[in-house]
Amino acid sequence: KQEVTQIPAALSVPEGENLVLNCSFTDSAIYNLQWFRQDPGKGLTSLLLIQSSQREQTSGRLNASLDKSSGRSTLYIAASQPGDSATYLCAVRGTYKYIFGTGTRLKVLA
Amino acid sequence: DAGVIQSPRHEVTEMGQEVTLRCKPISGHNSLFWYRQTMMRGLELLIYFNNNVPIDDSGMPEDRFSAKMPNASFSTLKIQPSEPRDSAVYFCASSFRDRENFGPGTRLLVL
Repeated sequence: KQEVTQIPAALSVPEGENLVLNCSFTDSAIYNLQWFRQDPGKGLTSLLLIQSSQREQTSGRLNASLDKSSGRSTLYIAASQPGDSATYLCAVRGTYKYIFGTGTRLKVLA
Repeated sequence: DAGVIQSPRHEVTEMGQEVTLRCKPISGHNSLFWYRQTMMRGLELLIYFNNNVPIDDSGMPEDRFSAKMPNASFSTLKIQPSEPRDSAVYFCASSFRDRENFGPGTRLLVL
């Protein structure tokens, strides 16, 4: 049974810092991995999607990497801003359904 | 595109009442998912439809929960009778191929 873990559970950093969020999963037989952002009281917004054959994806200040063999993914946020404050969720897809991690709650201080 | 639309956005009801949550997926998306999010259990998949057909309902917690998708543009999740432990945020998501688009959620409180 696939399990997805995210570390740390919460993170508080000053504005401008580069930071890394971690996601690990127990079953390497995945179809793809997605990183989502969730603002308080809102739904989830897809940030980056990495197919199982890919090693990384980039969008603006965000970069996500995938190492299937070790069961790990990282989300790198460059030059963090207060607007980046949110919960970030990692989700791993097997056949058709995603298994979500519990998220990292990020706060970027101005 | 308006994105995935869910209604109501908030629902407060009393234990034992029937609750119906509604979802309109993005036009052209052939997959629809219902999720439940709680502090204790995080985000859990309840049921998955593909081309309006339920494919996997193993996440539906018990017989009090039922879901339908009568056509490609509408789905419902019903709880009957509702219990306080059903209090959560319920999300609907739709997708075409890989990327899922989430609705804003329905925040349900059962007293």
